[in-house]
Amino acid sequence: GENVEQHPSTLSVQEGDSAVIKCTYSDSASNYFPWYKQELGKRPQLIIDIRSNVGEKKDQRIAVTLNKTAKHFSLHITETQPEDSAVYFCAAPKGGGYQKVTFGTGTKLQVIP
Amino acid sequence: EAQVTQNPRYLITVTGKKLTVTCSQNMNHEYMSWYRQDPGLGLRQIYYSMNVEVTDKGDVPEGYKVSRKEKRNFPLILESPSPNQTSLYFCASSLSLGTQETQYFGPGTRLLVL
Repeated sequence: GENVEQHPSTLSVQEGDSAVIKCTYSDSASNYFPWYKQELGKRPQLIIDIRSNVGEKKDQRIAVTLNKTAKHFSLHITETQPEDSAVYFCAAPKGGGYQKVTFGTGTKLQVIP
Repeated sequence: EAQVTQNPRYLITVTGKKLTVTCSQNMNHEYMSWYRQDPGLGLRQIYYSMNVEVTDKGDVPEGYKVSRKEKRNFPLILESPSPNQTSLYFCASSLSLGTQETQYFGPGTRLLVL
């Protein structure tokens, strides 16, 4: 089955700096990799996703990169702002049917003003 | 407004007292899923459903039941709750996860089992 490891578990950066969160997965059949942001007391919401036919995707200050050979994908946030402070989760489908989903254990990002 | 709703939002109960957490979506999504969120463990999938009358176990199904009699509803049933089921529960839906669609989460249900 799929195993997803996420690092680091906590990350503190100064406002304006960049933040990088990395996830590794085990199932080579996985081909969809979303990132969710969860603000305190709120539900997880998708911020960006990538499919296995591309290596990078950007949306303003957020980007995701995928290395299928090494089986890892990363979330990059540039020019961080205090409102980026949240818990971020990666996820990967599990098994060939893609019905099961495994989430990473989360990264608590703190942006210091 | 497209949304996933859960009820109740907060629940305190006692060991062994059966309870049901409802989940409903108005987006005509095929795929629905239940997760529990615990500190340090992230989101773990309990059960999922690909469509009406089609359900399957996730990673942590023990102690839970689900049903999918209608497309819009996917209730989570705890027949005999125990303290280790104290957690934050999220329902989610997507158009069809088989085509790698975004999951939309409900607001969460915080459960305390005494």
